[in-house]
Amino acid sequence: QTVVTQEPSLTVSPGGTVTLTCASSTGAVTSDSYPNWFQQKPGQAPTALIYSTSNKHSWTPARFSGSLLGGKAALTVSGVQPEDEAEYYCLLYYGGAQGGVFGGGTKLTVL
Amino acid sequence: QVQLQQSGPGLVRPSQTLSLTCAISGDSVSSKSATWDWIRQSPSRGLEWLGRTYYRSKWSSDYAVSVKSRITINADTSKNQFSLQLDSVTPEDTAVYYCARDPRYSSGWSFDHWGQGILVTVSS
Repeated sequence: QTVVTQEPSLTVSPGGTVTLTCASSTGAVTSDSYPNWFQQKPGQAPTALIYSTSNKHSWTPARFSGSLLGGKAALTVSGVQPEDEAEYYCLLYYGGAQGGVFGGGTKLTVL
Repeated sequence: QVQLQQSGPGLVRPSQTLSLTCAISGDSVSSKSATWDWIRQSPSRGLEWLGRTYYRSKWSSDYAVSVKSRITINADTSKNQFSLQLDSVTPEDTAVYYCARDPRYSSGWSFDHWGQGILVTVSS
């Protein structure tokens, strides 16, 4: 059973920069995992932010960026806004019968 | 503007069948590029992909191993919607169920549009 691991929680000050990471129990995350990032606020469906490691959707604010960092997928938020307080989930693709696996989420607090 | 509107009951009895529908606007369920997926979310299991349906030269469906023996996902082209049926439910199937579109930008997955979600409780 593949496990995708994220930091359970992070805190950042308004205007600051924070990086969330996404690790795979199978080894280093590469572009072949096509990492996705989603934002979810309480009571709402997830909103897509990043696909295929670093590609933004048309609605993704410029302050969000995706990358690979030290064998993990990473989501960096630069110039954090209060409205960025939310849960963030990554999704990694493994192919075959396993398909895709979501991480457990990172609760980002803006304080 | 793609929108997905979910409908279905919020309470299902144990051993019965969970049935949900996802109506599509702004795209076609018969799209030859997208797939139409179901995902659920619960405190114990987190976000879990359940399966998808898609049309290329014919209709196909793929299912997660964890529910493969109990799940059916179908498309209704006349209503431009797709549906989820999950048989023999137990309280462990209690979750918020989402439908989503994968536009298939690449060989991997990406879910760009999601339904509003429906909390389905399995209880007698």
